[in-house]
Amino acid sequence: AQKVTQAQTEISVVEKEDVTLDCVYETRDTTYYLFWYKQPPSGELVFLIRRNSFDEQNEISGRYSWNFQKSTSSFNFTITASQVVDSAVYFCALSEGSNTGNQFYFGTGTSLTVIP
Amino acid sequence: NAGVTQTPKFQVLKTGQSMTLQCAQDMNHEYMSWYRQDPGMGLRLIHYSVGAGITDQGEVPNGYNVSRSTTEDFPLRLLSAAPSQTSVYFCASSYFGYNEQFFGPGTRLTVL
Repeated sequence: AQKVTQAQTEISVVEKEDVTLDCVYETRDTTYYLFWYKQPPSGELVFLIRRNSFDEQNEISGRYSWNFQKSTSSFNFTITASQVVDSAVYFCALSEGSNTGNQFYFGTGTSLTVIP
Repeated sequence: NAGVTQTPKFQVLKTGQSMTLQCAQDMNHEYMSWYRQDPGMGLRLIHYSVGAGITDQGEVPNGYNVSRSTTEDFPLRLLSAAPSQTSVYFCASSYFGYNEQFFGPGTRLTVL
């Protein structure tokens, strides 16, 4: 079974629309960490956010916001007023395990295209 | 700081050849890892290391070897390349396994 599921393979939106990228995870650990990464067309992987399992507060950073809900095992990412530069593949990831011996699991990614 | 560096950027191998992908970081990170990225599959963990002298297998370790003799370097060895190993390989590092990882630029490998 997939540890991290990103059911949306591809999404297209028109510039200035809001878009939410879904991420559902599966773990039995009580301590775990969730991440979002961006991979623009140039190919590099850019870290966006890290959340630990004990902090369910939503986070906002400019046009980006994240909604973490343990009850539904979800860590969704919303881009408000999307821009062409937001076009990229976005990956959600889970790190589980104790202390230093963590394994990372990435979702299959959501490819976002923002149309001008 | 150079961050995480990977060499080479591109490589073409014939089936059965061996080679080593190099990865180095200058951030004094304890945790290093190797991933492969294939279309529609996301990134899959091959091997990881929590410190010099310690390595462990990830999701897809078969056909690959690693060693970690220093904190800075974490090479990935393909023992006998197969077409199924055609992929983009990323090396990453972080202070510990629960911190955000910094990724290298990737190596695009083609096995004919």
